[in-house]
Amino acid sequence: SQQGEEDPQALSIQEGENATMNCSYKTSINNLQWYRQNSGRGLVHLILIRSNEREKHSGRLRVTLDTSKKSSSLLITASRAADTASYFCATDFIMNTGFQKLVFGTGTRLLVSP
Amino acid sequence: NAGVMQNPRHLVRRRGQEARLRCSPMKGHSHVYWYRQLPEEGLKFMVYLQKENIIDESGMPKERFSAEFPKEGPSILRIQQVVRGDSAAYFCASSPRGKTRDSNQPQHFGDGTRLSIL
Repeated sequence: SQQGEEDPQALSIQEGENATMNCSYKTSINNLQWYRQNSGRGLVHLILIRSNEREKHSGRLRVTLDTSKKSSSLLITASRAADTASYFCATDFIMNTGFQKLVFGTGTRLLVSP
Repeated sequence: NAGVMQNPRHLVRRRGQEARLRCSPMKGHSHVYWYRQLPEEGLKFMVYLQKENIIDESGMPKERFSAEFPKEGPSILRIQQVVRGDSAAYFCASSPRGKTRDSNQPQHFGDGTRLSIL
């Protein structure tokens, strides 16, 4: 299976603290993406990092990528209660047809308490 | 600009019945993807369609499941003779271009249809 894994499975922190989530994957990639899912809702795209990039920032989000270890991390700084959600990493798996399939990890459930 | 619209949001079926899930992509998007999500798990790719064509269905179960994206109207994911194991959230995503080797189009997701089988 190409599916990645995220850890921790669940993370509970206080508002203002930083949250770090990790993602490991199994195959070579072109890029890795992070998505957020609020309870009962669809996924929202957060950030994409290409395989030749090591770090990327977007607002309070910081993503790192280590292709030698096949791992990525998502850091949310100064967390807010509204950041409570599940966070998924997704890697691309290129099929024989050239189609680039998204393979999602198992997700980290983040709870930020006021 | 409306996002990806899925309906119904919740669908209850008895074992053996048929389930039809609909997805209208974002305006201007001609590529549709269906995913299934079991509780506490990530999304699993099922099928990728363009208008009137199935491009990749490597994630679709071989039996009972089918998908279409007609020239006019929404994309439909159809599950025949449903069983308890089909209970899941089914998500549709769309993009303006397909996910090809040289493309990095992010996919826009709908809020899903939660299918419950009694």
